[in-house]
Amino acid sequence: EAQVTQNPRYLITVTGKKLTVTCSQNMNHEYMSWYRQDPGLGLRQIYYSMNVEVTDKGDVPEGYKVSRKEKRNFPLILESPSPNQTSLYFCASSRRQGLNTEAFFGQGTRLTVV
Amino acid sequence: EDQVTQSPEALRLQEGESSSLNCSYTVSGLRGLFWYRQDPGKGPEFLFTLYSAGEEKEKERLKATLTKKESFLHITAPKPEDSATYLCAVQAVRGGATNKLIFGTGTLLAVQP
Repeated sequence: EAQVTQNPRYLITVTGKKLTVTCSQNMNHEYMSWYRQDPGLGLRQIYYSMNVEVTDKGDVPEGYKVSRKEKRNFPLILESPSPNQTSLYFCASSRRQGLNTEAFFGQGTRLTVV
Repeated sequence: EDQVTQSPEALRLQEGESSSLNCSYTVSGLRGLFWYRQDPGKGPEFLFTLYSAGEEKEKERLKATLTKKESFLHITAPKPEDSATYLCAVQAVRGGATNKLIFGTGTLLAVQP
């Protein structure tokens, strides 16, 4: 079954404690991205990756890091989380850059930073 | 600035009561317009892609249409299982990333039996 898998689904952490949210896709997609979803603001792109070892900032990259060492995985790293990063996070993948291809989304990770 | 605006924010319908959701956009270099459905606690699920003005696509009780400035998602004779948040997104050219999606804030649809 084609899917994007995120872990964990729920996470409560304390300010400043480094964390990683994993994302894996089984569709051999080249393009992957991270979004955060906040009430009244919709989905906003944090980072994206066009292929292995190729990543770039989205609209709200501050406080986040990513890496793309393998095609299937695209982890999101919060080096020093702060309460304003409390949000619902989604990982997405799509077939290729430059084509009007649909994005497949993971189930989401609800992060609370206290 | 690229922008996507959806209206209404929330819509409550009786089962069988048809209506439309609106998505207006201001974006340069439009590559495509997408409709997604999002159920509570889940990630968005793809519904349609529209590429050019005049295009229409249908799926069960849903029909999406596109003009040069807006898209409509028409829901005909909705059922309670159609209750969800409907998201509109446009794909624009931004730098070298043509897969970038710019999302609206969604319309929360509730269909009562």
